[in-house]
Amino acid sequence: ETGVTQSPTHLIKTRGQQVTLRCSSQSGHNTVSWYQQALGQGPQFIFQYYREEENGRGNFPPRFSGLQFPNYSSELNVNALELDDSALYLCASSPGGSSYEQYFGPGTRLTVT
Amino acid sequence: DQQVKQNSPSLSVQEGRISILNCDYTNSMFDYFLWYKKYPAEGPTFLISISSIKDKNEDGRFTVFLNKSAKHLSLHIVPSQPGDSAVYFCAASYSGNTPLVFGKGTRLSVIA
Repeated sequence: ETGVTQSPTHLIKTRGQQVTLRCSSQSGHNTVSWYQQALGQGPQFIFQYYREEENGRGNFPPRFSGLQFPNYSSELNVNALELDDSALYLCASSPGGSSYEQYFGPGTRLTVT
Repeated sequence: DQQVKQNSPSLSVQEGRISILNCDYTNSMFDYFLWYKKYPAEGPTFLISISSIKDKNEDGRFTVFLNKSAKHLSLHIVPSQPGDSAVYFCAASYSGNTPLVFGKGTRLSVIA
């Protein structure tokens, strides 16, 4: 059984640019959630996708957007990058339904200069 | 306003002794609590969880205790091993398939 994978591992962007991060969910999981983890903080919820539909959103501006594909993989897009967007971006998948546990990928470390 | 709080940023314990990590929450609507362990350069790994209808859940060396009246939970690791050295996150959820609300984490160092 393949776990959650994310790409790329590391990324350096300049302020104002756009970035796309990718996530492949664990086999059998139809729900993907994205989290941002700033240095010294716990992961903060960005949004969740369930069967290709957005199923909840945290306190992040509209320049953070996402997609989920028919195979349940997902993308996180961030436009007009700001220095404060520098963080570890974590993707988590879950089987949906009444399941509480989420299973995380290794994350993408984004640095905005 | 932090709904899940881990007030100890770090904890050092000798190998073989008990590690106790604490977590407090403010929202009484949370009905499920989870602990995750995170090594550097890896994503958080699910460790153990507890439903709000229980007060204890045990899995091998790991036990989670929940005190609903105090809105407090704790993770006990007995005996502690050097491989347990990691950052531990407490998380809470309102219901199934909803976002997790995390604390800031506690860095556990187990000294041989």
